[in-house]
Amino acid sequence: NAGVTQTPKFQVLKTGQSMTLQCAQDMNHEYMSWYRQDPGMGLRLIHYSVGAGITDQGEVPNGYNVSRSTTEDFPLRLLSAAPSQTSVYFCASSQDRGQSYGYTFGSGTRLTVV
Amino acid sequence: GNSVTQMEGPVTLSEEAFLTINCTYTATGYPSLFWYVQYPGEGLQLLLKATKADDKGSNKGFEATYRKETTSFHLEKGSVQVSDSAVYFCALSDPRGYNKLIFGAGTRLAVHP
Repeated sequence: NAGVTQTPKFQVLKTGQSMTLQCAQDMNHEYMSWYRQDPGMGLRLIHYSVGAGITDQGEVPNGYNVSRSTTEDFPLRLLSAAPSQTSVYFCASSQDRGQSYGYTFGSGTRLTVV
Repeated sequence: GNSVTQMEGPVTLSEEAFLTINCTYTATGYPSLFWYVQYPGEGLQLLLKATKADDKGSNKGFEATYRKETTSFHLEKGSVQVSDSAVYFCALSDPRGYNKLIFGAGTRLAVHP
């Protein structure tokens, strides 16, 4: 099925560990984003990309890195996990910057940092 | 800067009741407005959208009208069902810098039989 695939669905990390959250889409969308969802705060933009090789910071980029080597993949790297990064992470993609068709979201990765 | 404010939840209704979830926004330029829905354990799904003033978005019995004069985009449904229980997010697409989505905090809706 076409869409946005995120892996893993659940992850527990110890403080200081690093990991990569994977995101892949098969819709040939140019625009991809990473959000984190925290209770009472909606979704906040971490990083986004407007095409292969082009990324930029969002609202809460500290502690996260991204790269976009292909149109399909947009991994999010946690460099040194902290308890404040406990959250649900969503990847999203769009064909037109979301203006007319909105964004397609993955099912999320629930991350706990202990 | 741009922002979205939604009414706090949870909103608890009986089946077939009328639903209104208020959403107001602050933006420069001319944003597009969206409602997304998140069912338990799932990602967000686009529910409806409006791209210019006075547009009405509609889907699955839900409606919202883009009111520029009141900077609002309230979500309404005439008769809710138990299956509508979810979290609803109002969002705007920032026209500056790649149309990033800016979300409200979300409103949880619980519909009881």
